[in-house]
Amino acid sequence: QKEVEQDPGPLSVPEGAIVSLNCTYSNSAFQYFMWYRQYSRKGPELLMYTYSSGNKEDGRFTAQVDKSSKYISLFIRDSQPSDSATYLCAIPRGGGSYIPTFGRGTSLIVHP
Amino acid sequence: ETGVTQSPTHLIKTRGQQVTLRCSSQSGHNTVSWYQQALGQGPQFIFQYYREEENGRGNFPPRFSGLQFPNYSSELNVNALELDDSALYLCASSTRGRETQYFGPGTRLLVL
Repeated sequence: QKEVEQDPGPLSVPEGAIVSLNCTYSNSAFQYFMWYRQYSRKGPELLMYTYSSGNKEDGRFTAQVDKSSKYISLFIRDSQPSDSATYLCAIPRGGGSYIPTFGRGTSLIVHP
Repeated sequence: ETGVTQSPTHLIKTRGQQVTLRCSSQSGHNTVSWYQQALGQGPQFIFQYYREEENGRGNFPPRFSGLQFPNYSSELNVNALELDDSALYLCASSTRGRETQYFGPGTRLLVL
């Protein structure tokens, strides 16, 4: 079993929709979770990080962790065509390192 | 502030050859990490360099090797190329102890 799993999509939504992107993780000891965004022909960029308690909001983006089901989510409100990208969830490699171990990413398409 | 740059952008090699990829880290960053991203997959950690020494390695064979220079730029060398080495190779720089990694645009390698 991989440490973090994501549905690759693609997920296609109309502009203005609320988007829910999800990952499951295998090790309940994980305490820190990251979301990266990767545009076509670009490297990933860190979008948000969150610790294992509660929600974290940043503008139109909200990251949520459900420890009981080992589920992490990223919600995008009022989605825009410029949000079209691949979204990668990641957990730290461990041993005090924040080097990310990535899921395979979910491709999001927001059409006008 | 200059971001992470990588060269070349694209490369075609044949099986058995050797390749060197280059990365210039973002100004002020002293740590460089390399990742391999196969098509449709998330980036996989190859290794990290800090102060010119390898500081962590993923599940990659010894034919993947690297260097970091006093100006914190870095090289990734791959010997005896295999078809499965075809991928996007990403470099990321960071400051030791800080969570955020800043990725370059990558080098796309095709092995024929």
